[in-house]
Amino acid sequence: ELKVEQNPLFLSMQEGKNYTIYCNYSTTSDRLYWYRQDPGKSLESLFVLLSNGAVKQEGRLMASLDTKARLSTLHITAAVHDLSATYFCAIRKTGSARQLTFGSGTQLTVLP
Amino acid sequence: EAGVVQSPRYKIIEKKQPVAFWCNPISGHNTLYWYRQNLGQGPELLIRYENEEAVDDSQLPKDRFSAERLKGVDSTLKIQPAELGDSAVYLCASSPWTSGGAQETQYFGPGTRLLVL
Repeated sequence: ELKVEQNPLFLSMQEGKNYTIYCNYSTTSDRLYWYRQDPGKSLESLFVLLSNGAVKQEGRLMASLDTKARLSTLHITAAVHDLSATYFCAIRKTGSARQLTFGSGTQLTVLP
Repeated sequence: EAGVVQSPRYKIIEKKQPVAFWCNPISGHNTLYWYRQNLGQGPELLIRYENEEAVDDSQLPKDRFSAERLKGVDSTLKIQPAELGDSAVYLCASSPWTSGGAQETQYFGPGTRLLVL
């Protein structure tokens, strides 16, 4: 059974601090996505990681992919309140033709 | 560019009643997906269309759920009859047809929040 596990599931952090969200998956994958979801809103695409060692950065968020370890990280630098949201990783299993499997999400709260 | 449009945004029904959700994907996107998102969970795929063909419906509970995309553009997802456990957010997403790469990113609509009483 394909599993995508995120940790932590809940994260409270102070503004200005750094932290990392982890996404582990149980099978080979040829791409990994990170999405953001605000309460009551839909999912917004943040990053697509296509190969081992891929790193992408946008503002205070940086995502990386290690396909050998089946691990992706989403690193938050100097958090601000606007980053408060739920973050999901999702993988496309190799050969599964566009089917994504999502993790349970990490609910991030940035405190002033 | 308009995003994925869904309606209604909210629906409250009694169990055993039918309900339908509508989705209009981003213009030019051939692939359309319906997902269900339970509270505190990530979305789970119900069905995927390539144009008007349902190419992956293995996760769709076919005894009560049905979907159609007759002209290969907008789509309807129906539940009949609804059960208490169907309460969830139903998300529609679309993506363009490409040979691969970041362009396969799925773009999600705002969802329909269903409550079955």
